[in-house]
Amino acid sequence: EIVLTQSPATLSLSPGERATLSCRASQSVSSYLGWYQQKPGQAPRLLIYDASNRATGIPARFSGSGSGTDFTLTISSLEPEDFAVYYCQQRSDWLTFGGGTKVEIK
Amino acid sequence: EEELVESGGGLVKPGGSLRLSCTASGFTFSRNSMNWVRQVPGKGPEWVSSISSSGAYKKYAESVKGRFTISRDNARKSLYLQMNSLTAEDTAVYYCARDLEGRADYMDVWGKGTTVTVSS
Repeated sequence: EIVLTQSPATLSLSPGERATLSCRASQSVSSYLGWYQQKPGQAPRLLIYDASNRATGIPARFSGSGSGTDFTLTISSLEPEDFAVYYCQQRSDWLTFGGGTKVEIK
Repeated sequence: EEELVESGGGLVKPGGSLRLSCTASGFTFSRNSMNWVRQVPGKGPEWVSSISSSGAYKKYAESVKGRFTISRDNARKSLYLQMNSLTAEDTAVYYCARDLEGRADYMDVWGKGTTVTVSS
């Protein structure tokens, strides 16, 4: 099973700041990695698929990069609605999710 | 609006069974592969099972293989998960989720979830 490790566990930032979230895979997943946002009491929401493609309706401030084992989700300028938990997910070998990064208001 | 609504969750004793349902609206259900994903509060999601658009192909996580069965009825726009031999480790919120069209195994539409609690 491919294990996805996300860091940091918590990111404390202010609105307008840049957020950089990391996801590392235990073995190569090529570019088969997605990112999801989840707010309390809600289901996850797909943001990015295949490492760098934004899903329909996702604002341009969200961007993804990486390949192989190291991936990054960047939020260029945090809006109030972006404070949430973010998960990465790979589809290279079955499907697994990371443990999440919480982006909280500083 | 594209929507998925789960039902069938509840409290069940260890060793018991439960059948979850998911009803789709606002899109052509028969065109997409579908998934069940579960999540323990405070933890990351865990993929449980997937079924192809026709229902011909199914796959399961190792943790549920042999105990859970996924199925669908395209005429009724419905997805199901039959869960048998339940244990406390199956306690979670269960989500129904649609595969992103053209990019299998990414999920772009999710239901609100139904809670399954396995306890004596």
